[in-house]
Formats: sequence, C-alpha cells, structure tokens
Amino acid sequence: EPEVTQTPSHQVTQMGQEVILRCVPISNHLYFYWYRQILGQKVEFLVSFYNNEISEKSEIFDDQFSVERPDGSNFTLKIRSTKLEDSAMYFCASSGRPQETQYFGPGTRLLVL
Amino acid sequence: AQTVTQSQPEMSVQEAETVTLSCTYDTSESDYYLFWYKQPPSRQMILVIRQEAYKQQNATENRFSVNFQKAAKSFSLKISDSQLGDAAMYFCAYRQPRSGTYKYIFGTGTRLKVLA
Repeated sequence: EPEVTQTPSHQVTQMGQEVILRCVPISNHLYFYWYRQILGQKVEFLVSFYNNEISEKSEIFDDQFSVERPDGSNFTLKIRSTKLEDSAMYFCASSGRPQETQYFGPGTRLLVL
Repeated sequence: AQTVTQSQPEMSVQEAETVTLSCTYDTSESDYYLFWYKQPPSRQMILVIRQEAYKQQNATENRFSVNFQKAAKSFSLKISDSQLGDAAMYFCAYRQPRSGTYKYIFGTGTRLKVLA
C-alpha cells in the first residue's frame, strides 16, 4: 500500500541554523500538508499546498517557514533560522483531492539546541 | 474557532477486552467530518475510522466503532476484542468539508496500552 515517507526521522540542529525536512507524498496525490506537534501538545496545522502554491497557512507559519515542491516527488519544509520553540515532531500529509482523507507520514523529530 | 479535546492522556485495556476512548469537540458548523487516527510507535498515523456529521448512523470498521453524539459534540471510539497490535497513540480530529479550508484540527491524543 502506498505510504507517505519522511526524512530524516530525527534531526538535531543548533539555534539559528537552517533545516530542511523532506517528504515524499503518495504518488498520485496533489494536495500536501505540514503539521507539527510540540511534545505533549496538540498536532497543529502549519500549511497546505497545491499546484505549487500555498493554499492555506496558520499563524505559526511565519516568514521563517517556507515550502517547496522541488521536483515531481518531494515536498519540503524549510525553517530558515531555527528557534528553540521549533523543536517538535513535524508530520507531512497528502491527499488526492482536498476533501479526501489525508495520509500522514511517520514524522521528523526536530530538536533545536 | 473549532477545538478538539481528548481528556484521557493514557488508557489501559486487557487483551480481548473492550475500551472506549473519549473525544469532544466544539464547532458552530452543522456539516463536518470527524476522524480517529492511530499512531503506533515510530510509525505514521493511519486512519482508523471516519464519520460524516450528516450521517446519523455510527461508523464501524471491524473491531472499531464510534459513538457519535452530534448534539453533545461527542465522538468516542470503541475498540472491541483489543489486541496487542492496538497499542498506539490515538488522535481524534475534526475537519470542515467545505472549500476554503481542509486542515485537520487534532486533539492531544490518548496513549492506549494493551496488557497481555
């Protein structure tokens, strides 16, 4: 069964450094999402992406964040200058159409020191 | 704004027994979707069950069923004949079906332990 994959599974970085989290959505899906979960808190929506454009973003998704679909398979989340409070589990998801069920990846655990 | 609350951070159940995980939500919308997702350790979230708010009948998927109480804004998950493989974090989620936003709103999750 097709799955969403994410790399790396874990990443440790220094505050102020740039990180890129990578996702490979299910191959025929067109809608992509990033969510994050700070330890012990809710899973929160960050951004949705379709047709090479951001469809919707939350207040968390400020200028430090960007998303890109650099090729036909990858979907990336970049944090330009990481802060301590960016430490979280980041989940990628995809769906065939926006009203369909979203399929999630296993997450990337980001630790900012 | 819509919110989802899971008041049980952790639950335990004996193998072969039944357990119910609670979820309440708040919305002013009349049409929406509700979901239960399961996340085994170090694995991705997978969909367990989905309920459309306009359907009065409770959704079921094999050993998994929901008790959807729209007026009470309650959406609990019942797992019957619990198995060791059911041990996971369970997330309740809400989504509006209308165009404009398809984001999920999640609860904080319930960690289910299954005891042999």
